[in-house]
Amino acid sequence: SQKIEQNSEALNIQEGKTATLTCNYTNYSPAYLQWYRQDPGRGPVFLLLIRENEKEKRKERLKVTFDTTLKQSLFHITASQPADSATYLCALGPNYGGSQGNLIFGKGTKLSVKP
Amino acid sequence: GAGVSQSPRYKVAKRGQDVALRCDPISGHVSLFWYQQALGQGPEFLTYFQNEAQLDKSGLPSDRFFAERPEGSVSTLKIQRTQQEDSAVYLCASSLVQGGYTEAFFGQGTRLTVV
Repeated sequence: SQKIEQNSEALNIQEGKTATLTCNYTNYSPAYLQWYRQDPGRGPVFLLLIRENEKEKRKERLKVTFDTTLKQSLFHITASQPADSATYLCALGPNYGGSQGNLIFGKGTKLSVKP
Repeated sequence: GAGVSQSPRYKVAKRGQDVALRCDPISGHVSLFWYQQALGQGPEFLTYFQNEAQLDKSGLPSDRFFAERPEGSVSTLKIQRTQQEDSAVYLCASSLVQGGYTEAFFGQGTRLTVV
């Protein structure tokens, strides 16, 4: 069965540094991949979507890469700020060519940015 | 409203009691999803609607779980004879179109505690 792993449960970094979060998956060929932010007691909030034919996507201080050969996505936050502290979730879209359906979420990585 | 609205925000149920959780999606959104999120885990898919049609219910954990969206707008997730293992946050999400490649908007969730 398909498996998705975010290989750090927690990541602590200093303000101003770049945070890099990793998402790996197996037994799956998603048509796209999404990243969400989740704060305590809140629902996930969409950040970025990257399609299987795209290598990189940027939005302000955020950058996502998608390597379908390695079956891996990297999520970067540059010039990190304490307000970036949250849990970040990786989510796989349906298999390429498959019908619309659910997102498959990882467990998330809890990012803490220290002042 | 501007976002996805879920009610109640918190629900405490005695074991064996039936509960109903409501989701009011963003107006005009075609797709609606229910997810279950246990503490420290990512959201797990339960079921998916496209308008009023329930296209995928493969994630519902047992026949005690039932979801409906009779008019293609508001949805209700019903859990009969609640068990302690049903304790979790239940998230509803909606998206504008079918066919993927679009972000999902999540509500704040309903935290269900079965005692």
